[in-house]
Amino acid sequence: DTGVSQNPRHKITKRGQNVTFRCDPISEHNRLYWYRQTLGQGPEFLTYFQNEAQLEKSRLLSDRFSAERPKGSFSTLEIQRTEQGDSAMYLCASSLGSGFYGYTFGSGTRLTVV
Amino acid sequence: TQLLEQSPQFLSIQEGENLTVYCNSSSVFSSLQWYRQEPGEGPVLLVTVVTGGEVKKLKRLTFQFGDARKDSSLHITAAQPGDTGLYLCADSGGGADGLTFGKGTHLIIQP
Repeated sequence: DTGVSQNPRHKITKRGQNVTFRCDPISEHNRLYWYRQTLGQGPEFLTYFQNEAQLEKSRLLSDRFSAERPKGSFSTLEIQRTEQGDSAMYLCASSLGSGFYGYTFGSGTRLTVV
Repeated sequence: TQLLEQSPQFLSIQEGENLTVYCNSSSVFSSLQWYRQEPGEGPVLLVTVVTGGEVKKLKRLTFQFGDARKDSSLHITAAQPGDTGLYLCADSGGGADGLTFGKGTHLIIQP
């Protein structure tokens, strides 16, 4: 297993367009998390899945954001009608169980909205 | 809402020097995790500490967890340019709502 994989690594989009990111977690990990990181800040929690069920969503996740994890494998994060404030690094992480002992993060997708 | 404060925010030192960075929480940690993040990459887990007073060593890195489980320090001995990065502390929060991160310490080790 090569770890958590995220695609694309970079995305530049025009304001108002929709974008979708993909995350492939470590295969035996049952939990998958999405975080957002802006310049000078630590990552901020967006949402997480246990298997295919989305169990928690942050207040940061506006109604323009939607995440799915069909069949409990890979996950997608879609942002509709992008705004300049959506520009950030979007990180995916996975864990076996609650993540009490640590998470494995992907390399992230850098989104720039122009 | 738990707040994690990391200090210093920025640190630039010469290769071979020693340094310590700190993480303080407004509430007791469930489990404290330290990560290092390089530019354009995701965070990489360095260590998890759970028990108050715990000390863990990872080569030249020494992690201490305060007795009251509300603070931690990371000490690096004989820093090398490869130690350059953003050092983040995080609380697992018992498994709900993912990790809560501090803003990190930006460390630069100059050759």
